[in-house]
Amino acid sequence: QVQLVQSGAEVKKPGASVRVSCKASEYTFTDNYIHWVRQAPGQGLEWMGRINPNNDGTNYAQKFQGRVTMTCDTSISAAYMDLSRLRSDDTAIYYCARSSLLVPATMTYYDVWGQGTLVTVSS
Amino acid sequence: QSVLTQPPSVSGAPGQRVTISCTGSRSNIGAGYDVHWYQQVPGAAPKLLIFDNSNRPSGVPDRFSGSKSGTSASLAITGLQAEDEADYFCQSYDTSLSASVFGTGTTVTVL
Repeated sequence: QVQLVQSGAEVKKPGASVRVSCKASEYTFTDNYIHWVRQAPGQGLEWMGRINPNNDGTNYAQKFQGRVTMTCDTSISAAYMDLSRLRSDDTAIYYCARSSLLVPATMTYYDVWGQGTLVTVSS
Repeated sequence: QSVLTQPPSVSGAPGQRVTISCTGSRSNIGAGYDVHWYQQVPGAAPKLLIFDNSNRPSGVPDRFSGSKSGTSASLAITGLQAEDEADYFCQSYDTSLSASVFGTGTTVTVL
């Protein structure tokens, strides 16, 4: 079935960087945006940004500008999210999710989600 | 922080009807942007429940319904069942932030 499978949990020290991967299966990878959404422990959902796998075009939430980089490898239907200069308040579950390229950003919703990757930032 | 406000919790007995509100502003829901809803059971990823204000994806029971008016939206669950215990989040677009935004989340408890 259509799914997004993410990499495993990570533990990082403050100031380090982390890469989370998201591998798509059973659909045409280039037909959808990949978004990244995070959820701090016991908190709500926070959109971080999106990438268009066709042209690597990205849009990042202002809060993460300069610290986040989203990339894709269409040859293996994978997306990556790199977050640098980690702080303790970056401890969260990071989800990838897809949305249709045919739907503009103002109408976007996420119909398939990855299982989530816990990133813990601790000294 | 979330720009869409939801009640922290709602509860109901099995079979009852509950509603969850999602209050925004003129820069998001009030600007005419669609509202979408997600269900998140503990330990799992969010699942799309309602898209474009009132549409259900295939497989979502018709006990779930959505509506939107002005700067707010609502999710209704009729015939509440034990399996509906979960967190529910609304989502829309905010033109001031140029970003997708989520609600604060609501925990539904079945008594």
